[in-house]
Amino acid sequence: GAGVSQSPSNKVTEKGKDVELRCDPISGHTALYWYRQRLGQGLEFLIYFQGNSAPDKSGLPSDRFSAERTGESVSTLTIQRTQQEDSAVYLCASSPRTSGGAVYEQYFGPGTRLTVT
Amino acid sequence: AQTVTQSQPEMSVQEAETVTLSCTYDTSESDYYLFWYKQPPSRQMILVIRQEAYKQQNATENRFSVNFQKAAKSFSLKISDSQLGDAAMYFCAYRSQGGAQKLVFGQGTRLTINP
Repeated sequence: GAGVSQSPSNKVTEKGKDVELRCDPISGHTALYWYRQRLGQGLEFLIYFQGNSAPDKSGLPSDRFSAERTGESVSTLTIQRTQQEDSAVYLCASSPRTSGGAVYEQYFGPGTRLTVT
Repeated sequence: AQTVTQSQPEMSVQEAETVTLSCTYDTSESDYYLFWYKQPPSRQMILVIRQEAYKQQNATENRFSVNFQKAAKSFSLKISDSQLGDAAMYFCAYRSQGGAQKLVFGQGTRLTINP
């Protein structure tokens, strides 16, 4: 079946502009994660959605970052007033569900490479 | 907060040889999961192997195996019979059993396979 998809694949924007990054999770996956990967670094958690529960926003680096998810479908990560330090690859992952007693693999999309000039 | 450390930014190995990638982590939790992910130039994160902390037996997936030392908080990945297709960035990751189950990643090790 189809995997996690993200768009655009690459985005170049000018400093100060707003950008929207899109993630389409695997159908039926209730959990959705956003991560950021700076050049040569590991992934940093940004935000997590699980069904209709309130999202876990503990990883968002500033109030310029926000994300929405409609039900259990598409999610959009928005970065307002972009700065050069926002340049990174933004990866989305989805999972069938989260449960304290079980291990559910996170399936990653190919990411969006954001370059702020 | 949990942290994951990969002390080898780069490693190289001859094709068909064995290589071990190191990972240490810090946590106060007793139940958790550990993972190794592979990231080729395509950027796609691919799960290589996972280990449940409550299991004493080391996980194995074909040519990939781990050495899990819970007391030492060490989780190394051994790749046997290295192949050219194994060349990639490898990330060690930690996940709590409860909560959001977000992954905490190390900085990564770039593995080069020499033909």
